[in-house]
Amino acid sequence: GAVVSQHPSWVICKSGTSVKIECRSLDFQATTMFWYRQFPKQSLMLMATSNEGSKATYEQGVEKDKFLINHASLTLSTLTVTSAHPEDSSFYICSAGLAASLETQYFGPGTRLLVL
Amino acid sequence: DAKTTQPTSMDCAEGRAANLPCNHSTISGNEYVYWYRQIHSQGPQYIIHGLKNNETNEMASLIITEDRKSSTLILPHATLRDTAVYYCIVRAGLGGTPLVFGKGTRLSVIA
Repeated sequence: GAVVSQHPSWVICKSGTSVKIECRSLDFQATTMFWYRQFPKQSLMLMATSNEGSKATYEQGVEKDKFLINHASLTLSTLTVTSAHPEDSSFYICSAGLAASLETQYFGPGTRLLVL
Repeated sequence: DAKTTQPTSMDCAEGRAANLPCNHSTISGNEYVYWYRQIHSQGPQYIIHGLKNNETNEMASLIITEDRKSSTLILPHATLRDTAVYYCIVRAGLGGTPLVFGKGTRLSVIA
């Protein structure tokens, strides 16, 4: 299957700082990328849908000014957690797919964020 | 997306077949059934998907009932590395639509 990478895999930061997470599709061009968040012992929750060259669509309850998403190319999407607080500590996972394809989506390995 | 119902947890002996059921009684005609799994602290891994015919690949088999209201994922010879949370998801086929995860089934493969 296709490969999706995320960087960094782990990040620890102080409260109030901003953290950027990168999601890359390594061997295909992803017209659409998705960002999920997963708290301990819970399922994945969709945060936003990101289409290359356009603004992201956020799910209800997700603050777009706090979670900035940029999808500048067909192989890269970034999620920036601005002014992170301890409650933002979570496992952030991206997935990538081809909007016009029947193919499924492929997930990155996830980024674990710990805000102190 | 149509919702799915899965058992919370299941055990399976190593080397035996693991049969994971999923109910999706409100599935629409254009929605596919997808199965993913998530091993602890990793991103979800794609397993298989189907529309109405049974499907098989190197990882698993997917059996979909004729009325499409339920399906079963079969891991033919479960190993300890198959211990994970398995998610059954229904979604219209195109890749631009997000996958919405339920709670899944926690499969424990026991030696």
